[in-house]
Amino acid sequence: GAVVSQHPSRVICKSGTSVKIECRSLDFQATTMFWYRQFPKQSLMLMATSNEGSKATYEQGVEKDKFLINHASLTLSTLTVASAHPEDSSFYICSARAASGSQETQYFGPGTRLLVL
Amino acid sequence: GEDVEQSLFLSVREGDSSVINCTYTDSSSTYLYWYKQEPGAGLQLLTYIFSNMDMKQDQRLTVLLNKKDKHLSLRIADTQTGDSAIYFCAESLSGGSYIPTFGRGTSLIVHP
Repeated sequence: GAVVSQHPSRVICKSGTSVKIECRSLDFQATTMFWYRQFPKQSLMLMATSNEGSKATYEQGVEKDKFLINHASLTLSTLTVASAHPEDSSFYICSARAASGSQETQYFGPGTRLLVL
Repeated sequence: GEDVEQSLFLSVREGDSSVINCTYTDSSSTYLYWYKQEPGAGLQLLTYIFSNMDMKQDQRLTVLLNKKDKHLSLRIADTQTGDSAIYFCAESLSGGSYIPTFGRGTSLIVHP
């Protein structure tokens, strides 16, 4: 089946530093990737949709200068949390939609746990 | 209210059947999904159903859709301890990007 990886799986950083999270589709090409944020015991909140080669589309209330998304290739999207603060601590999950095949399904990565001290 | 609603907890005994319920508000939903999330992990798509279907069965999983009442359920037969996880219901629309809207998840606890 389609596999999506995320790196790192867990990161702890000091307040004010920037953190980059990678999302890769390992065995398929993804024209569209999605970034979600999940708070404890909460649902997934869609942050942004990224299409390869174009600017990401951010959901209302998500700061694009804070959460920088780059979809550099058909297999890689990165989320950079700029100048992270403790309130940015969360579980970040990416998903990818295959370039071919059914458009109604997404494949999720295992998530990245971010803790900002 | 929320677009997709689920009860937050369900506790069952190993070997029994589990039924997780979900209601949604958008009558134009085209696809309805069930995802499973184990602790500290991402989401795994378990199954999904197209809105013109009433039922879908896949091994131990049975999905029932009542489109009139906008009610979706997931039945897990012979529930095992490995089924303990959070189960998310989600809906998406065809006219657009198929981006799912998730419920808050039902935490299923299976005890011996």
